[in-house]
Amino acid sequence: QITLKESGPTLVKPTQTLTLTCTFSGFSLSTSGVGVGWIRQPPGKALEWLALIYWNDDKRYSPSLKSRLTITKDTSKNQVVLTMTNMDPVDTATYYCAHTTDYGDYGFDYWGQGTLVTVSS
Amino acid sequence: QSVLTQPPSASGTPGQRVTISCSGSSSNIGSNYVYWYQQLPGTAPKLLIYRNNQRPSGVPDRFSGSKSGTSASLAISGLRSEDEADYYCAAWDDSLPWVFGGGTKLTVL
Repeated sequence: QITLKESGPTLVKPTQTLTLTCTFSGFSLSTSGVGVGWIRQPPGKALEWLALIYWNDDKRYSPSLKSRLTITKDTSKNQVVLTMTNMDPVDTATYYCAHTTDYGDYGFDYWGQGTLVTVSS
Repeated sequence: QSVLTQPPSASGTPGQRVTISCSGSSSNIGSNYVYWYQQLPGTAPKLLIYRNNQRPSGVPDRFSGSKSGTSASLAISGLRSEDEADYYCAAWDDSLPWVFGGGTKLTVL
């Protein structure tokens, strides 16, 4: 059974760096083709893909946010960490991590419950 | 402004068939698979369709996906009240990795 859960601060101040952790179970990020991605959703708005890391440490980022994002994995801890620098109120959103396999061919088939991050002073 | 274009809303009565469109370009839908996600109120998205028209285990066959050129559609037949949700299309883009549509809010009248 695959599960993912996001954790991190619920409130950050403008200009601060956000660090989110996705802790998962039921799969290994050392298995060929497996990846974990981050997707966010501002309140009442659409989904926006942010970043993705594959089993072989191949990393992909949204071009519009690439300069602010870093995604890493710790295979031994079954965790993926996303950092986003220089947070702004427009970054207020629910942040989801999600599992994919076969290099994304099967889509994001398992999602975490999401964590709401509010950016405010 | 989402890369993939969806109608903001759709509606139907119980038992009806409704379709939701998703328009893209040659760099995303035109050359890659399309995916559909269902998001019930207050919950995380759920994968509904992958690889244009494949259903994950557990998704009813009332849901079907299709793709033609740079557009795709999600069809829901035998509409039920529990289908009321937001629906998002997504695709891999040759330049942007993953892109999502703006979402369609489906109302069951």
